[in-house]
Amino acid sequence: AQTVTQSQPEMSVQEAETVTLSCTYDTSESDYYLFWYKQPPSRQMILVIRQEAYKQQNATENRFSVNFQKAAKSFSLKISDSQLGDAAMYFCAYSPPNSGYALNFGKGTSLLVTP
Amino acid sequence: NAGVTQTPKFQVLKTGQSMTLQCAQDMNHEYMSWYRQDPGMGLRLIHYSVGAGITDQGEVPNGYNVSRSTTEDFPLRLLSAAPSQTSVYFCASSYGWASTDTQYFGPGTRLTVL
Repeated sequence: AQTVTQSQPEMSVQEAETVTLSCTYDTSESDYYLFWYKQPPSRQMILVIRQEAYKQQNATENRFSVNFQKAAKSFSLKISDSQLGDAAMYFCAYSPPNSGYALNFGKGTSLLVTP
Repeated sequence: NAGVTQTPKFQVLKTGQSMTLQCAQDMNHEYMSWYRQDPGMGLRLIHYSVGAGITDQGEVPNGYNVSRSTTEDFPLRLLSAAPSQTSVYFCASSYGWASTDTQYFGPGTRLTVL
């Protein structure tokens, strides 16, 4: 079974600063998908960014970018110019091929943004 | 589109009772999944379906049944509720596996088993 590990239960960042959330995963597959989801207090799961394993280029979505290191099985999320609205739980997730987006989630990192 | 809807939003059961959590989507998505979220555990996959009539087990399937008779609906049945099933349950769906597809989550059902 694939496992996803988020080693930082909590992180804190000041407004306008940059923060990086860590994620490692374990798999024997060569093709798969990786995701970062945001869960604010409303509990709604919001997709932040996705990365296809076959793509070497790191994904970017506005202020959010990833550092995907396939050999190291590492998938970190960088949030630039942090905003108060970025405060939330962030979950890293893995999806194997041909599973219909059946996701394996990490335990999450709680991000606090201070003014 | 209503997206992914879940009913009820909250439910309290007694140990041994059975119930069905409803999930529906109106986006013609082939793929649907159920997750449970416990404090400090993240989301764990219970069951998933890649199309009508096809289901498979996830990480924590024991105590739960699913069926997929239509594309739109994917109900989750608790056969005999136990306190260990107290959790928040999320349903999710996606159109397919392409890089442009996005998985959509419902708002969740908070279930308490006494």
